[in-house]
Amino acid sequence: DAGVTQSPTHLIKTRGQHVTLRCSPISGHKSVSWYQQVLGQGPQFIFQYYEKEERGRGNFPDRFSARQFPNYSSELNVNALLLGDSALYLCASSLIAYEQYFGPGTRLTVT
Amino acid sequence: GNSVTQMEGPVTLSEEAFLTINCTYTATGYPSLFWYVQYPGEGLQLLLKATKADDKGSNKGFEATYRKETTSFHLEKGSVQVSDSAVYFCALSVSSGGGADGLTFGKGTHLIIQP
Repeated sequence: DAGVTQSPTHLIKTRGQHVTLRCSPISGHKSVSWYQQVLGQGPQFIFQYYEKEERGRGNFPDRFSARQFPNYSSELNVNALLLGDSALYLCASSLIAYEQYFGPGTRLTVT
Repeated sequence: GNSVTQMEGPVTLSEEAFLTINCTYTATGYPSLFWYVQYPGEGLQLLLKATKADDKGSNKGFEATYRKETTSFHLEKGSVQVSDSAVYFCALSVSSGGGADGLTFGKGTHLIIQP
């Protein structure tokens, strides 16, 4: 089975722009979570979705939003990009509530 | 709130040495505990897990025991290899009514194994 896939792999944006990141979960997994990993730090939880509903939200500003589609894929949107948003964005899917499997991530650079 | 503290790196060892990476946690409720590994340029891979006190997670020669009395989940391996060089993250998740909360990670420990 294919693992979690994310697109794009790399992205360069300018301050103030908007970005959309995409994630496809492992087949059969209905939960998707998003994390931000700044260089040299552990991942920080942004959102969790289950059956298209938001089930959890981390301590991130309203510029960050997400949604989950009927096929369980997900998008993470970030508006009004700041330099500090430069990071690796990780998507994880899960079948069992607590066991999450991560994709390779999208490297976002904001200039 | 929930938090994870793990030993700072980098940790440098010679091949075949014994490895311990310390991890302690603070959690509201009863957490599940995890170790993830991240190889250069890659995403995180689940290495092992434990869901209740005294459980031992193991995989690829790595082990960790869920110690509720000391709120710890230390990672150990008896004989490390150069291929074990990576960043290791300790993490926890607490179940809630709607499922599990997002994972809370430590800052990571960079392990370097020299031949």
